[in-house]
Amino acid sequence: AQSVAQPEDQVNVAEGNPLTVKCTYSVSGNPYLFWYVQYPNRGLQFLLKYITGDNLVKGSYGFEAEFNKSQTSFHLKKPSALVSDSALYFCAVRDYGDDKIIFGKGTRLHILP
Amino acid sequence: DAGVTQSPTHLIKTRGQQVTLRCSPKSGHDTVSWYQQALGQGPQFIFQYYEEEERQRGNFPDRFSGHQFPNYSSELNVNALLLGDSALYLCASSLKAAKNIQYFGAGTRLSVL
Repeated sequence: AQSVAQPEDQVNVAEGNPLTVKCTYSVSGNPYLFWYVQYPNRGLQFLLKYITGDNLVKGSYGFEAEFNKSQTSFHLKKPSALVSDSALYFCAVRDYGDDKIIFGKGTRLHILP
Repeated sequence: DAGVTQSPTHLIKTRGQQVTLRCSPKSGHDTVSWYQQALGQGPQFIFQYYEEEERQRGNFPDRFSGHQFPNYSSELNVNALLLGDSALYLCASSLKAAKNIQYFGAGTRLSVL
């Protein structure tokens, strides 16, 4: 069965510093991996995806994620954090050939001015 | 180009009642998925509709049912409401052929008293 783990409930980063939000996954086949962001009282906004190809994926708002097959990880990164990046971030996985997406429990990111 | 729209935005019901939530997909999308997001949790997959049929279902009881119309819009019905059904219900649309990104609506906040 597919699963996603986000080991940190909350991550605090000073503005201007690099940030990392961790995600590990488990699937039986080849994974489709996603990051979504949720602002208060809003739905989920797509940030980036990994399907195949380069392990470093670039997405919206300066975010990127690195796919590591051996460690089954897909950590979200940004070189320089902004206060406006403060939000709830969800990692998600879909197994190849499956339609449902499984979400992690989310990581709350606080960027401190 | 309108994104995914959901109605109503908020709803208050009492135990035992029935509720219907509505979703219009992003223009050009033919597939609708429904998710339940309880407070402090990630979205949980309920089911997916394509070509007016339920294609895949998550671990939810039969009290949860749905429908997709010829214009690709969808409804989620929940019967015999329980207190535990209180959550944010998210609709996501996608293009079946692409099998990639799901775009989310802002959700319907259901409170069961």
